[in-house]
Amino acid sequence: KAGVTQTPRYLIKTRGQQVTLSCSPISGHRSVSWYQQTPGQGLQFLFEYFSETQRNKGNFPGRFSGRQFSNSRSEMNVSTLELGDSALYLCASSSGPTGVDTEAFFGQGTRLTVV
Amino acid sequence: AQSVTQPDIHITVSEGASLELRCNYSYGATPYLFWYVQSPGQGLQLLLKYFSGDTLVQGIKGFEAEFKRSQSSFNLRKPSVHWSDAAEYFCAVGEGVNFNKFYFGSGTKLNVKP
Repeated sequence: KAGVTQTPRYLIKTRGQQVTLSCSPISGHRSVSWYQQTPGQGLQFLFEYFSETQRNKGNFPGRFSGRQFSNSRSEMNVSTLELGDSALYLCASSSGPTGVDTEAFFGQGTRLTVV
Repeated sequence: AQSVTQPDIHITVSEGASLELRCNYSYGATPYLFWYVQSPGQGLQLLLKYFSGDTLVQGIKGFEAEFKRSQSSFNLRKPSVHWSDAAEYFCAVGEGVNFNKFYFGSGTKLNVKP
């Protein structure tokens, strides 16, 4: 079974631009979460979608947004990029809330560099 | 507020030696605790998780962790480290009903000496 696929793997953007990252979850998974990983702040939760609805949101500015499609694929968008947005963006998918019998599977991430 | 502390940024152990990575959490309710491993250029892989019951949890790759409520700790252990265990390890706590929101520690980078 294919894993979580994130595209693109690497991205270089200029300050002020906007960017869209994509995450295709494991087939059958309806929950997709997004995390930002930086050397200074570590792994921080951005948001989570389940069946096209945002259920949870982290403490990030409104420049960070996301959505989920009916096929569970998710995109996140960052507008007006800042140098500090340079990070590895990870998404995780699961069939539902991680519990005793479920697990969140992470993709390899998209490495975004803002110059 | 929920938080996870991993006090050791880097740890170096010799191959074959035992390993213990420390994790302390702060959480108001019953914590749901996880250990993930990340190899360079890769995503996170779940090693083990604790929800309830037996406080000693077995995971993949020979890892185990012990939940100690009195010490707010969830330390990861392995009796004999292999060179392939070199990676970064993250402890995390899951929030409430929606466990797909994790609070991660800052990570511990493990180096393994031959």
